[in-house]
Amino acid sequence: NAGVMQNPRHLVRRRGQEARLRCSPMKGHSHVYWYRQLPEEGLKFMVYLQKENIIDESGMPKERFSAEFPKEGPSILRIQQVVRGDSAAYFCASSHIPTTGANVLTFGAGSRLTVL
Amino acid sequence: SQELEQSPQSLIVQEGKNLTINCTSSKTLYGLYWYKQKYGEGLIFLMMLQKGGEEKSHEKITAKLDEKKQQSSLHITASQPSHAGIYLCGAVNNAGNMLTFGGGTRLMVKP
Repeated sequence: NAGVMQNPRHLVRRRGQEARLRCSPMKGHSHVYWYRQLPEEGLKFMVYLQKENIIDESGMPKERFSAEFPKEGPSILRIQQVVRGDSAAYFCASSHIPTTGANVLTFGAGSRLTVL
Repeated sequence: SQELEQSPQSLIVQEGKNLTINCTSSKTLYGLYWYKQKYGEGLIFLMMLQKGGEEKSHEKITAKLDEKKQQSSLHITASQPSHAGIYLCGAVNNAGNMLTFGGGTRLMVKP
């Protein structure tokens, strides 16, 4: 079991370009979470998805950010027209069932986005 | 929304010393998770606490959840350089569908 796989590990974009971050959950996990960590800060929840459904996107910026978790393939976090403030580490986590207090989220190693 | 405050925000200790990190919640905790993040890497699960008064240990790390379930502490005994990193507490929300994290405590252990 390879764990939660994120790619790319590092991504450099110029302002105005698009960034696509991918996350393959652990085998058998159908719940995916995206978090953002700004430099020197904690993790901020962005979005929670199940296969083909967005369950909670209360942490997603209203514009330029979108996420999907298709029936086949990895979950994708897409940032359009990136700005310098989008520079951060983006972490994906997955679980077998919702985190009801007895289930552990398994995190990927993160994708570090740098916007020039 | 639930907010978690961690203290201290950063900590430098001499190798071999004990230390404690605190996590205080604005609301009752339904599940409290401790994770460790090595600098520049992902999060590693340490422990999860659910019951008031619960205490768990793993190697030299002990975590407790107070009786009122609004505060947790993480205690490291005889710290080593390998303990260095960022310690994050996370709380399950009411709906049970996501974790909210504290701001983290950055620990450095001087050899």
